[in-house]
Amino acid sequence: GEDVEQSLFLSVREGDSSVINCTYTDSSSTYLYWYKQEPGAGLQLLTYIFSNMDMKQDQRLTVLLNKKDKHLSLRIADTQTGDSAIYFCAESEGYSTLTFGKGTMLLVSP
Amino acid sequence: DTAVSQTPKYLVTQMGNDKSIKCEQNLGHDTMYWYKQDSKKFLKIMFSYNNKELIINETVPNRFSPKSPDKAHLNLHINSLELGDSAVYFCASKYRVEETQYFGPGTRLLVL
Repeated sequence: GEDVEQSLFLSVREGDSSVINCTYTDSSSTYLYWYKQEPGAGLQLLTYIFSNMDMKQDQRLTVLLNKKDKHLSLRIADTQTGDSAIYFCAESEGYSTLTFGKGTMLLVSP
Repeated sequence: DTAVSQTPKYLVTQMGNDKSIKCEQNLGHDTMYWYKQDSKKFLKIMFSYNNKELIINETVPNRFSPKSPDKAHLNLHINSLELGDSAVYFCASKYRVEETQYFGPGTRLLVL
């Protein structure tokens, strides 16, 4: 079955860049997503990328996709304390359901 | 304006009880989902409905019964609650032919 893997924890200082990595196994993944979950809150869609794209930039967020290696990354520039949260990588094939990674907890220290 | 709403936000109940969680979306979407997030934050799909019809049912115990009275609602009824049912349950919705799912705020269920 499909599998999505992420590192569990990342700690950075305020103002630095954060890079959260994700690998997936399903070669037929069509869309790849990044969701953010703040403590006690629901899931917020941050961005997504179609599988025929290599890169997508949205303000401080940059998503890079290496389809050959099945590797997805999320870069957050100028990381702020408000970025502290759990970040979930997810993939879907066509219009089907999402398969999530286990989440990366990002801790931003002042 | 709340796009995807769930009630209740918190639910504490005894083992063996039957409870329901409600979900409503005002986005006009035709596909709705229930996800379970366990204590380790792992998210897993439970059910998917399209136009009130069940299209995905993962290996969920039959104590869990989703019900979709109309396209805007997908409720989750749980019979004979067990300790292992304690989790956060997220409802989500989207247009079938689009890629983005919108999640509700979650219902935190604690079974004692």
